[in-house]
Amino acid sequence: DAKTTQPPSMDCAEGRAANLPCNHSTISGNEYVYWYRQIHSQGPQYIIHGLKNNETNEMASLIITEDRKSSTLILPHATLRDTAVYYCIVHPSSKDDMRFGAGTRLTVKP
Amino acid sequence: GAVVSQHPSWVICKSGTSVKIECRSLDFQATTMFWYRQFPKQSLMLMATSNEGSKATYEQGVEKDKFLINHASLTLSTLTVTSAHPEDSSFYICSAARTRTSGIQYFGAGTRLSVL
Repeated sequence: DAKTTQPPSMDCAEGRAANLPCNHSTISGNEYVYWYRQIHSQGPQYIIHGLKNNETNEMASLIITEDRKSSTLILPHATLRDTAVYYCIVHPSSKDDMRFGAGTRLTVKP
Repeated sequence: GAVVSQHPSWVICKSGTSVKIECRSLDFQATTMFWYRQFPKQSLMLMATSNEGSKATYEQGVEKDKFLINHASLTLSTLTVTSAHPEDSSFYICSAARTRTSGIQYFGAGTRLSVL
């Protein structure tokens, strides 16, 4: 599976957009980009995924660059409850297991 | 929808005893379930992947005889930590996927195991 690189930590002001970057320069054509988050002491939560088009759902937007080598997860109006570790994972459609990297610890501040 | 229940949420046991953790998909059928372990301030580490009715596939370095996984139905998987020792103390998390290759996994709330 392609490796991902994320900043270890980020801060964001409450009510502002949180933009979390992810680098996946070795991504293959059949690999999707998935985002999960883990709030402290809980199980992870699926947020969004995409292949090459930008995606949006009720939780977030996912922007994937045209060359697919990087992506950005956008939380449009961050709240204190969005404080969590955010994991960017590249996952091929043909495999079952999914591996988590170190993620980005996002702290939303009042 | 897509709720995964994990039980117990917290367990303390004596060294040498066995502990069973249950993972249930409440409102969907899970072809594949996963078990992860997470140590403090670290990321999730995949322990094993189990498909309903098949033997689990364990990751390298995970002892099959110590961490027994059973996936007897499309809604239930269990992880039994046999002869637990203090170094097995960790946060164990299960997840479930509707299909084998689905990248969308639904996670349980986790089980915190403390072995004295």
